[in-house]
Amino acid sequence: GAGVSQSPSNKVTEKGKDVELRCDPISGHTALYWYRQSLGQGLEFLIYFQGNSAPDKSGLPSDRFSAERTGGSVSTLTIQRTQQEDSAVYLCASSLRASNYGYTFGSGTRLTVV
Amino acid sequence: QQQVKQSPQSLIVQKGGISIINCAYENTAFDYFPWYQQFPGKGPALLIAIRPDVSEKKEGRFTISFNKSAKQFSLHIMDSQPGDSATYFCAASKDYKLSFGAGTTVTVRA
Repeated sequence: GAGVSQSPSNKVTEKGKDVELRCDPISGHTALYWYRQSLGQGLEFLIYFQGNSAPDKSGLPSDRFSAERTGGSVSTLTIQRTQQEDSAVYLCASSLRASNYGYTFGSGTRLTVV
Repeated sequence: QQQVKQSPQSLIVQKGGISIINCAYENTAFDYFPWYQQFPGKGPALLIAIRPDVSEKKEGRFTISFNKSAKQFSLHIMDSQPGDSATYFCAASKDYKLSFGAGTTVTVRA
């Protein structure tokens, strides 16, 4: 596609439920990143994929968070046993190769845990 | 611990005025300093960026000033327009990972 696509755009879930957030990167982009944007905060790095491997998971806040990428394309971020503090906008970005420039962000998934 | 500090949190400027946003960083390993613009409901989009071997970069109405010794950099928006109303984030980076400031909401009054 022309840009990074994320779904759903909005998700409301009950505390304790599991959620899956999806990211479709730009075709041909080998690097994929997940960031979290909490209200009034800047973006916080979660995880970086190169192809299907995740060499840097250092930003995942707890073991309730996991992510995978398949076929060097689509990525899924899973949050288990959601908590209210998980409420945020989850942003995905991709780039042609691992780089700090050339990021293209998607519009994000707004997650609300009630 | 936030690696990039950004101020002000918000600002209001009249159409045609100048908006100035400041950022400071600690990690001297950072080698790339981008600014992102974000509109409501959209992801951030790269606006302009600078590397530390340059003290100033200008693209249209947007200018980055960079002070390596002070570990500070700033974004100037000249001749501000209502369409510039958005949230602006500074960031600093080494390799693939971006560290963002908390953001500045700019409102341009017509």
